[in-house]
Amino acid sequence: GEDVEQSLFLSVREGDSSVINCTYTDSSSTYLYWYKQEPGAGLQLLTYIFSNMDMKQDQRLTVLLNKKDKHLSLRIADTQTGDSAIYFCAERRNSGNTPLVFGKGTRLSVIA
Amino acid sequence: ETGVTQTPRHLVMGMTNKKSLKCEQHLGHNAMYWYKQSAKKPLELMFVYSLEERVENNSVPSRFSPECPNSSHLFLHLHTLQPEDSALYLCASSQTSGGLSYNEQFFGPGTRLTVL
Repeated sequence: GEDVEQSLFLSVREGDSSVINCTYTDSSSTYLYWYKQEPGAGLQLLTYIFSNMDMKQDQRLTVLLNKKDKHLSLRIADTQTGDSAIYFCAERRNSGNTPLVFGKGTRLSVIA
Repeated sequence: ETGVTQTPRHLVMGMTNKKSLKCEQHLGHNAMYWYKQSAKKPLELMFVYSLEERVENNSVPSRFSPECPNSSHLFLHLHTLQPEDSALYLCASSQTSGGLSYNEQFFGPGTRLTVL
């Protein structure tokens, strides 16, 4: 398909791990990104992964990339209430002249 | 000021008004973008300015008019908008080496626009 796909909602308990999944479209995409948007704010770049990597870890965040299935995931360990936000997956396609292509975002709700 | 700033943060306007959104980036980048974020829709790219030249216009209605006087400033001029134009308008910047190379974008906080 043409769209970057994400589940719209995810709800987890405080202290549990959150896993947000994304399916992207272009197997030649070079970079894949995760952005976070808190209520009333703009997008904040959380992390990114280069397409020749399978995994990237940054403190509580782990990004997994499955190029064969064009599947990207973001795992947040020990989820806190401050992690409640919308998380956007984005891909930088290697074809055409378009900038990042975004999914619709996954709204993460953390229950205390 | 650091990063990408946008003013105003909130704007309410009537359909006959003319207003402008302003974006400023303090990152030394050479590309700037306007995005529209509506409820339940993916982020929509509206305009791209790379090296101060507009390189893309995704068939945005002419009631939206961008202006990029220099690499640090970007405006979106609005006139005779419709209620369906109500959305969060996000500005972003990046450093591009030109052509097809777009690097990660840094976003401003957005302007929440309501058209009555």
